[in-house]
Amino acid sequence: AAGVIQSPRHLIKEKRETATLKCYPIPRHDTVYWYQQGPGQDPQFLISFYEKMQSDKGSIPDRFSAQQFSDYHSELNMSSLELGDSALYFCASSWTKGEQFFGPGTRLTVL
Amino acid sequence: AQSVAQPEDQVNVAEGNPLTVKCTYSVSGNPYLFWYVQYPNRGLQFLLKYITGDNLVKGSYGFEAEFNKSQTSFHLKKPSALVSDSALYFCAVRDGDSGYSTLTFGKGTMLLVSP
Repeated sequence: AAGVIQSPRHLIKEKRETATLKCYPIPRHDTVYWYQQGPGQDPQFLISFYEKMQSDKGSIPDRFSAQQFSDYHSELNMSSLELGDSALYFCASSWTKGEQFFGPGTRLTVL
Repeated sequence: AQSVAQPEDQVNVAEGNPLTVKCTYSVSGNPYLFWYVQYPNRGLQFLLKYITGDNLVKGSYGFEAEFNKSQTSFHLKKPSALVSDSALYFCAVRDGDSGYSTLTFGKGTMLLVSP
């Protein structure tokens, strides 16, 4: 069965650079969620989209933005990267507000 | 607001013995409860969920969990642990009555199964 796809799987950036993370949900899923998991931390909800509109917002910094496109894939844009942004970024998808299926994550390292 | 507590940072158990990983929750509406497992450098894998119905929920890889409303708990159990069960386990909750569909995770419990 198709799963959530995230790209890239690993990303290394310098401070103050920008990064774009991509998420491709399970086919026919209309809701995408982004979570951030810092080292040794639990996943923290950042933002979600339902039918290409932002539905919920969590602890997402103002330097970050995200959107969901017409094909339901989503991108998380991160600017002015800081050392503390180093984390594992998960995308999850669901059908409306049903069970969330998680992708493998993108590991971002900011040097 | 919704929250999850996993009181144990680590649980150690010998292979073949039963295991329990504890989770308590707080949510204003109906609790939807989940357990996920995370292996090193891997994503979150869904184990099981409680939405409604029987309090004992059976999930993947022989795991089960018991929903206890009076104790607001959703402990994860397995009758006989395997070394390959060693991983990080997260309990999560969402409010089933609200449109706020995001998950709130506990801090995670590292399960170590010794041979």
